[in-house]
Amino acid sequence: QVQLLESGPGLVKPSETLSLTCTVSGGSISNYFWNWIRQPAGKGLEYIGRIYTGGTPNYNPSLRGRVTMSVDPSQNEFSLRLTSVTAADTAVYYCARGGIVGAPGLYFFDYWGQGMQVTVSS
Amino acid sequence: EIVLTQSPGTLSLSPGEGATLSCRTSQSVSNSYLAWYQQKPGQAPRLLVYGTSNRAAGVPDRFSGSGSGTDFTLTISRLEPEDFAVYYCQQYGGSPLFTFGPGTKVDIK
Repeated sequence: QVQLLESGPGLVKPSETLSLTCTVSGGSISNYFWNWIRQPAGKGLEYIGRIYTGGTPNYNPSLRGRVTMSVDPSQNEFSLRLTSVTAADTAVYYCARGGIVGAPGLYFFDYWGQGMQVTVSS
Repeated sequence: EIVLTQSPGTLSLSPGEGATLSCRTSQSVSNSYLAWYQQKPGQAPRLLVYGTSNRAAGVPDRFSGSGSGTDFTLTISRLEPEDFAVYYCQQYGGSPLFTFGPGTKVDIK
């Protein structure tokens, strides 16, 4: 059974950088797309972007310039960095698996982490 | 950006009743590109349906998806107590690559 677990600071100061890691267990990180999605309190889901081993990341244009994703197959984990954060970046951040690289038709998120609350505040 | 609109915003029903949730996309999308999720308070979303009408593993058959083009529907045939939750539709394609609808809350009447 694939499991994902987000980790990182739960409190970030305005203008600083938010950094989260998602550790994948129960399966290899290779050959899949790995995604970040966030949800402000009481609101809907916002797609942040995705990455896969050896590939080019794809980011939501609304966050482009502030977001960077990376993947470390040796640790079976992938990461999110969001720079110059403001209160608007306060949300629960989820990592999720979405699709197999090279296999069309799998355009959904089948495994999710439990979510991590990140608050931007001084 | 492909915008998703869900209706109604809230559906108040009793256990045993049926529920019909609508998702409309601002542009036509392939049936392969439409999925539905269920989210309960304090939990991550759970995949229910992918490719418009395919139930995910372990999802009861009272959940069914249908639709095409710009109009998609999630139907719950008989609501069980554990089905009261928020439901999101999601599409793939365009920029950003994935977008979600604003959600429909199904609550107990």
